[in-house]
Amino acid sequence: RKEVEQDPGPFNVPEGATVAFNCTYSNSASQSFFWYRQDCRKEPKLLMSVYSSGNEDGRFTAQLNRASQYISLLIRDSKLSDSATYLCVVKPFPAGSASKIIFGSGTRLSIRP
Amino acid sequence: SQTIHQWPATLVQPVGSPLSLECTVEGTSNPNLYWYRQAAGRGLQLLFYSVGIGQISSEVPQNLSASRPQDRQFILSSKKLLLSDSGFYLCAWSVTRGVEKLFFGSGTQLSVL
Repeated sequence: RKEVEQDPGPFNVPEGATVAFNCTYSNSASQSFFWYRQDCRKEPKLLMSVYSSGNEDGRFTAQLNRASQYISLLIRDSKLSDSATYLCVVKPFPAGSASKIIFGSGTRLSIRP
Repeated sequence: SQTIHQWPATLVQPVGSPLSLECTVEGTSNPNLYWYRQAAGRGLQLLFYSVGIGQISSEVPQNLSASRPQDRQFILSSKKLLLSDSGFYLCAWSVTRGVEKLFFGSGTQLSVL
C-alpha cells in the first residue's frame, strides 16, 4: 500500500460547481498534512495546511479524519483558475524532527466554462 | 523573506554526460533541503534530503548523488546520465520551527537524449 494515495482523476466540473476529493495515508502516526496545488510544468505551491479541527480559506475547506486516515479538500464556487493538479502531502514523523515529507501522486481538476 | 533559486530552468543533455543542478536558499538559516524528481504525469519522488552541511540522506538507489557544501546550497549531480534520468527536478526547503512546510524552487526540466 502506498504511503499516500489519491484518486488521479481527472475531475471535470463546470464553473461554479462544488468539488471534493480525498487522500488516504497509511501511517497512523502522521502529524502534519497539507494540500499543494501544481500547475502544468510548474512547481507545487502550498495551498493550505490541514488542521485537526478542519479549516477554511475562502472557497477552500480542508478536513482531517484521523480515525479513517484521510484528508479532504472541498472547493466551492469553482473558478476556471482552479484547474490544476492538487497534491496531498503528509509528514509521517513528529513535527520538529528532520524527516521526509511524502507527496501523493495528485488529483487533476479541470474546470470547464 | 525567504527565496529559493534553482537553475537552469531547462537542460538537454546526451546520455553519458555529467549533470550538475544547483539550488540556493536565501533569507533563512539551517534549512532542511530536498531534491525531488517528477516524471511526466507522475507524482513527486523524493531523491535526497539534508538537515545540515555535509549530511545527505538518499531515498532511492540511483545514478544520482547530492552534496551540501554550504548551509544554503544543495547540488544534485551525476557522473553519467541515463535516459531514465529525464524528468522535472525540484529543489525544496523547509524549517522545523513550528509546522514544517515545504517551499519549492521553480524546477529544472531535464531531457536526456
